[in-house]
Amino acid sequence: DTAVSQTPKYLVTQMGNDKSIKCEQNLGHDTMYWYKQDSKKFLKIMFSYNNKELIINETVPNRFSPKSPDKAHLNLHINSLELGDSAVYFCASSQAKGNYEQYFGPGTRLTVT
Amino acid sequence: GENVEQHPSTLSVQEGDSAVIKCTYSDSASNYFPWYKQELGKGPQLIIDIRSNVGEKKDQRIAVTLNKTAKHFSLHITETQPEDSAVYFCAASIMTNAGKSTFGDGTTLTVKP
Repeated sequence: DTAVSQTPKYLVTQMGNDKSIKCEQNLGHDTMYWYKQDSKKFLKIMFSYNNKELIINETVPNRFSPKSPDKAHLNLHINSLELGDSAVYFCASSQAKGNYEQYFGPGTRLTVT
Repeated sequence: GENVEQHPSTLSVQEGDSAVIKCTYSDSASNYFPWYKQELGKGPQLIIDIRSNVGEKKDQRIAVTLNKTAKHFSLHITETQPEDSAVYFCAASIMTNAGKSTFGDGTTLTVKP
């Protein structure tokens, strides 16, 4: 009964490659997020979607492109990967009106070599 | 935008002692303050939250206090146990803002048996 799931859990790739991370939630939430957690454990929001519409787009290189095919899915595509993209990426979901609690996925550890 | 400062960055206590983590925020419009616990290799998980119409909230060994005037809130853990060892994040958000939360930089709590 996984609430928020991400695939893959680990991703090792070379500089310059393009990769995608997928996220799905089965909680019926209307808002989904992508966070980046660096090696110092700082947790920074990247994007937020509400009902498939982009509502938060923090200062993120345009090599990162989120896509929400429906309310239950939010994918992250990264072009031309750089060493500095190495981090753990967390997907989360919440209900915009109501509980406000964010439910996080298990994370995807991206290593760029 | 909102800025959240969290202290201390690391905290080490003996089992059975209390632990206190403090956060300050900058945006007086923020009205929802969750605390998340992140265990090693996992995503953050909500442990307690407080809304701006309440000054204190308690759940067993965990309590949160909020001072709206001073714009700070604190997490109190009593009778700490080794399983409380984790990274703790505070966050501040505006409940009408589709769930955007600004996170503190995290506190690594170590409870020594």
